[in-house]
Amino acid sequence: GDSVTQTEGPVTLSEGTSLTVNCSYETKQYPTLFWYVQYPGEGPQLLFKVPKANEKGSSRGFEATYNKEATSFHLQKASVQESDSAVYYCALSDRGSGGSNYKLTFGKGTLLTVTP
Amino acid sequence: DTTVKQNPRYKLARVGKPVNLICSQTMNHDTMYWYQKKPNQAPKLLLFYYDKILNREADTFEKFQSSRPNNSFCSLYIGSAGLEYSAMYLCASSRWRLTSAETLYFGSGTRLTVL
Repeated sequence: GDSVTQTEGPVTLSEGTSLTVNCSYETKQYPTLFWYVQYPGEGPQLLFKVPKANEKGSSRGFEATYNKEATSFHLQKASVQESDSAVYYCALSDRGSGGSNYKLTFGKGTLLTVTP
Repeated sequence: DTTVKQNPRYKLARVGKPVNLICSQTMNHDTMYWYQKKPNQAPKLLLFYYDKILNREADTFEKFQSSRPNNSFCSLYIGSAGLEYSAMYLCASSRWRLTSAETLYFGSGTRLTVL
């Protein structure tokens, strides 16, 4: 079946440093790739999504490129802020093996803590 | 207003007793979902309602039931709670049936502890 593997947390960074959260996926289909973010006390919310290979998504200073050849979708930010402290989920959406329904498959999530 | 609300925020249940979790959305979304999230595991889809049609995942088919009395409300029902049901339960909705690029809107979750 489909799977998503991302950087194991927790990740602790100082404000102003750069962030990379690795995300790799496995699927036999042609998925749309997502990054969701979950702030403390809230549910996950969409950060951005990329439906096509070789395209880049971005939001709030975060970005990721859909690399079909490497099956990767790494999240990056040049300079993190304390307000970026959250759990970040990589996810893919496709029909899965033999399925008729689309399904959103998540990674385990990466807890990021940014210290002042 | 993209709001999905879940009640209660925390729930305590006894082994062998039933549990009912509630979710509501005011966005007139066609599809509502329930996910289970355990520590160090990915959120796992349990089931979803597209309009009035219930779809349950094969590996949790017998463990969870759900009802959707109207477009706005959806419940998750556990007939006899076991210790393994302790988890965060996340409700979500999407405007239409899930397609490749559909966005899910999540509630804040209900943390269920079974003792």
